[in-house]
Amino acid sequence: QPVLTQPPSASASLGASVKITCTLSSGFDRYDIAWHQQQPEKGPRYLMKVNSDGRHEKGDGIPDRFSGSSSGAERYLTISRLQSEDEADYYCQTWGTGVLVVFGGGTKLTVL
Amino acid sequence: EVQLVESGGDSVQPGGSLRLSCEASGFTSINYAMSWVRQAPGKGLEWVSAINVGGGRTEYADSVKGRFTISRDNSKNTLYLQMNSLRAEDTALYYCVKGERRVPGVIYDAFDVWGQGTLVTVSS
Repeated sequence: QPVLTQPPSASASLGASVKITCTLSSGFDRYDIAWHQQQPEKGPRYLMKVNSDGRHEKGDGIPDRFSGSSSGAERYLTISRLQSEDEADYYCQTWGTGVLVVFGGGTKLTVL
Repeated sequence: EVQLVESGGDSVQPGGSLRLSCEASGFTSINYAMSWVRQAPGKGLEWVSAINVGGGRTEYADSVKGRFTISRDNSKNTLYLQMNSLRAEDTALYYCVKGERRVPGVIYDAFDVWGQGTLVTVSS
């Protein structure tokens, strides 16, 4: 079963950009992942799916400020022009036969 | 609008049982894989159980296998989670989630819709 590794925290200034990383463990570097956002005291919200080729497909209503990319076993979530409401926990998720469903530990984003 | 609304969460003693419900609207849930995901207080997300498109196959996390049962009532467009032999470590907010793809037989998928969650507390 894969392990998804995320940094526990990240920070960036209002109006700046931030890139959050999700690293797939060895042998699972071709797997797609999904990114989810959880704002304080709210349920998670689906942001996008990112595949190993770097293509991403965003969920309905997700602003253009959010984008995804990949390199090897790393999958990225980039947020541009940071706003205060982007302060949240961000989780990556992968899935598959033999994998079941796995979440990363989450990254707490602070907007300074 | 696609929506999932959970209910049934409560406070129970260890060894007790609960049944969670998740009513889907805006889509036909039998056409998508559905799962339950939980989040213990102050912790991350943990997948609990899944049921495939069509409903003929179910899967469980090792932590709940043999104690929890996922099912769906297609006539009511509703997903259930029967939880037996509850333990303190089952205390969490339980989310109902929808799989992304409308593909026959799929059971594991990206989750593209989340409910608001229902709280289960197991304590004596």
